[in-house]
Amino acid sequence: GENVEQHPSTLSVQEGDSAVIKCTYSDSASNYFPWYKQELGKRPQLIIDIRSNVGEKKDQRIAVTLNKTAKHFSLHITETQPEDSAVYFCAAYNQGGKLIFGQGTELSVKP
Amino acid sequence: SAVISQKPSRDICQRGTSLTIQCQVDSQVTMMFWYRQQPGQSLTLIATANQGSEATYESGFVIDKFPISRPNLTFSTLTVSNMSPEDSSIYLCSVTTQGTGNYGYTFGSGTRLTVV
Repeated sequence: GENVEQHPSTLSVQEGDSAVIKCTYSDSASNYFPWYKQELGKRPQLIIDIRSNVGEKKDQRIAVTLNKTAKHFSLHITETQPEDSAVYFCAAYNQGGKLIFGQGTELSVKP
Repeated sequence: SAVISQKPSRDICQRGTSLTIQCQVDSQVTMMFWYRQQPGQSLTLIATANQGSEATYESGFVIDKFPISRPNLTFSTLTVSNMSPEDSSIYLCSVTTQGTGNYGYTFGSGTRLTVV
C-alpha cells in the first residue's frame, strides 16, 4: 500500500522567511497530492493540492511542486507570518480511493 | 465543498463502554472515510464506509472494535467498542467530492474521545 514520508517533523523560521516541507510517496499510481493545515484543536483544512499531470502550482504565498519521477512533492511558503504557525500534513491519493497522510510538520513562525 | 456535521464533539467515557460517533453530510457522497488522530500524531485511516456494503478496514483495525454503518449516501456512524485508554484520540470522518475531476477531501470537526 501507499506510504508517505514527511520531513522535517518540526520547523522554526523567522517571520518573513520561507519554509519548505518535503514529502515522498511510494505508490507510483498515486495521482493527487493535497496539503492540509491543522491549527490546534481544529480540523485539517485543505490549503493547496496538485495533480500528477502538473509539476507546480501556486496560490499567493503558497506553492507546491511535484516530481513524479522521484516520487516527491514539496510545500513552499514564502514571506511567512505568525498565523502560518500550525501543523502541516501532506497526503497522497491512490487509485484505491484512499488518502494517506504523512507524519506532519509543526511549523513555528517567530515574530 | 461538502459540509459535514459530526457529533459528539467530545466525550469522556469509562473503559469497557462503547461510543457511537455520527457524521451527517449536506450532500450525497459515494465514499466516506473514518480517521483516527492520536495525540500529537498524524491521521490514520480506519476504514472506508460504502453505502450498501460492508465497510473496508485498514490493517490493524477490525469490525468488532470499530463497527461502521452507512445506511444512506449522507450519513455514517463509527462505534468505538469496549473502549480502553489507548482509544483516547480524535476521530474524524471525511468525504471526498470526487467526480468531475475534483478529488477534494473535507473533514468533519472531529470527536475528541477520552477514555478513563
